[in-house]
Amino acid sequence: AQTVTQSQPEMSVQEAETVTLSCTYDTSESDYYLFWYKQPPSRQMILVIRQEAYKQQNATENRFSVNFQKAAKSFSLKISDSQLGDAAMYFCAYRSARNQGGKLIFGQGTELSVKP
Amino acid sequence: DAGITQSPRHKVTETGTPVTLRCHQTENHRYMYWYRQDPGHGLRLIHYSYGVKDTDKGEVSDGYSVSRSKTEDFLLTLESATSSQTSVYFCAISESNQGREQYFGPGTRLTVT
Repeated sequence: AQTVTQSQPEMSVQEAETVTLSCTYDTSESDYYLFWYKQPPSRQMILVIRQEAYKQQNATENRFSVNFQKAAKSFSLKISDSQLGDAAMYFCAYRSARNQGGKLIFGQGTELSVKP
Repeated sequence: DAGITQSPRHKVTETGTPVTLRCHQTENHRYMYWYRQDPGHGLRLIHYSYGVKDTDKGEVSDGYSVSRSKTEDFLLTLESATSSQTSVYFCAISESNQGREQYFGPGTRLTVT
């Protein structure tokens, strides 16, 4: 069975600075997808970024980028130029490319606070 | 925003009572999911559906049942609520079981006293 681990329950960053959130996963599969979701205090789950395992190039979305290390099974999220609105819970998630119903397997989450 | 609604948004109920949560989508997506969110656990899959009347269990399915009689509706039932089922419940939808993202509903906070 696949597992996802986020080892940082809480992180803090100064506004305008850069922060990296860590995520590791365990799988025996070679084809899968990885996601970072953001959950602000409103509780809404918002997709931040997605990475296909077959792609070597790291995904980027504006100020958000990932460092995908397939061999190390690591998938970290870098937030550049942090803004107050980035304060939220961040979840890393794994999705198999096999026909397993497309379910997401989540990490425990990292709560990010942004200091003005 | 994906058209997903959940009802009710908040509910307080007593131990032993049945509870049904509803997820409604307007996107005509084939796949629908129920997750629960608890501190320290992230989100965990309860049940999912891959079509009308087609459902399967997830990681934490004990004490829960689901039904999907129409594409747009996915119901989660707690037959006899227990305090351990106090949680926030999220519905999600997806076009496919591959790399497309899942879109989440706003969540339902359920408290079992």
